[in-house]
Amino acid sequence: SQQGEEDPQALSIQEGENATMNCSYKTSINNLQWYRQNSGRGLVHLILIRSNEREKHSGRLRVTLDTSKKSSSLLITASRAADTASYFCATAGGGAQKLVFGQGTRLTINP
Amino acid sequence: DVKVTQSSRYLVKRTGEKVFLECVQDMDHENMFWYRQDPGLGLRLIYFSYDVKMKEKGDIPEGYSVSREKKERFSLILESASTNQTSMYLCASRGQIMQYFGPGTRLTVT
Repeated sequence: SQQGEEDPQALSIQEGENATMNCSYKTSINNLQWYRQNSGRGLVHLILIRSNEREKHSGRLRVTLDTSKKSSSLLITASRAADTASYFCATAGGGAQKLVFGQGTRLTINP
Repeated sequence: DVKVTQSSRYLVKRTGEKVFLECVQDMDHENMFWYRQDPGLGLRLIYFSYDVKMKEKGDIPEGYSVSREKKERFSLILESASTNQTSMYLCASRGQIMQYFGPGTRLTVT
C-alpha cells in the first residue's frame, strides 16, 4: 500500500533557485525519510526526521514535518545541476522494519 | 563504505523462464528488501527478510518468491517470468534506521 503522496510529480527550475517538494501520508509514523534517485540508479538516503521533530537541516537541505497535517516538505536551497534527480519520501511506522515510499518528485535543474 | 550489489544491471528473459536476481550486502544487516519500481507507481515492496531463512510478504508478492540462506545474500525468484514483470528491481538492506540500496536490475521479459 502506498502511503506517501508527493507533490508536485515533476518540478523544473533554474539553477540557483530553491526547490520545494511536499509529501503527505495517512497513518501515524515513527520517522519520515527522504531519498534521492539519480536516473536509472538506486536510491540514496538524504535525511531523516523523527515524529517528535519539526524541522531538520543538512547542508542545503531543510526538512519540515507537521504530524497534525501528516505532511512533510523538502527544501533544497541554491539548486545545482547535480541536484537533478527523483526525490522520494518514505515513512516508517511503529515497530515496522519496512518503509513505505511515495511515488516521487522528478526535479530538473536547468543551467 | 556501505555496499549493496546486485548481480546484473540489465537482464532480458523470455516468458516462462525462471529468473534469479541476486543481492549481496557487506554490512552484516539483518533486514533486506526487494522492491520493484514502475513509472507512476513508485517503489512497491515485494518481499523482505529480517533474518536468515525468515521472510515476509510485502505488498505485491504474487509471482515472486525469495531465498535467504546466508545473512549477506537475498535472492528474488521469478518462478515463471511474465511480461508484466518487466520492471526495475531494487534491493536494499537496512541498518539502524535507513535503507541502503543496490544499483538496481532492469529486467525485460519478452
